[in-house]
Amino acid sequence: QKEVEQNSGPLSVPEGAIASLNCTYSDRGSQSFFWYRQYSGKSPELIMSIYSNGDKEDGRFTAQLNKASQYVSLLIRDSQPSDSATYLCAVTSSGGSNYKLTFGKGTLLTVNP
Amino acid sequence: DAGITQSPRHKVTETGTPVTLRCHQTENHRYMYWYRQDPGHGLRLIHYSYGVKDTDKGEVSDGYSVSRSKTEDFLLTLESATSSQTSVYFCAIRDSFNSPLHFGNGTRLTVT
Repeated sequence: QKEVEQNSGPLSVPEGAIASLNCTYSDRGSQSFFWYRQYSGKSPELIMSIYSNGDKEDGRFTAQLNKASQYVSLLIRDSQPSDSATYLCAVTSSGGSNYKLTFGKGTLLTVNP
Repeated sequence: DAGITQSPRHKVTETGTPVTLRCHQTENHRYMYWYRQDPGHGLRLIHYSYGVKDTDKGEVSDGYSVSRSKTEDFLLTLESATSSQTSVYFCAIRDSFNSPLHFGNGTRLTVT
């Protein structure tokens, strides 16, 4: 069973701070990695995709990937109360099951005004 | 929501009755997925499809079946609903196996 692990939180940060969300995965052959944001009662929405080692920045969001350590993270700079949500890490399986996308259980982020 | 419509949005049914959930897409994407989301378990894959009439099981497929007779429609059927199938069900699509999933709005199913 290929696994994706996230700290469940809750992670609480003050407004304007940097929020750091972490994810580890067990499938060493995974090639595609995604971060989703999910507000309570809503469907997950894509924030970032990352495919190669290093950092990828999009506005206040930075995704970091280290395939050797099987680790992917999301940094949110200048956190806003509207960033309060559950953040889901998702990883595409390798090999014959590479149609599948496995999700972590999510980290609940609370940004305090 | 990337041209994905799930129906119904809410359903209450009794144990032992059959239930079919529908996912309809207007994006002409090849891959379609059904997930369920439960507190403490996150999103778990039920079934997925990689083309018309091509489907495969996910990690929690017992008690569920699917069909895809057209590119745009992916149906999830609970042959005989049980209380353990009370959940929120999400359909998702993607256009290639390395691209991200895009989700529908979900169906909240309650089995009494």
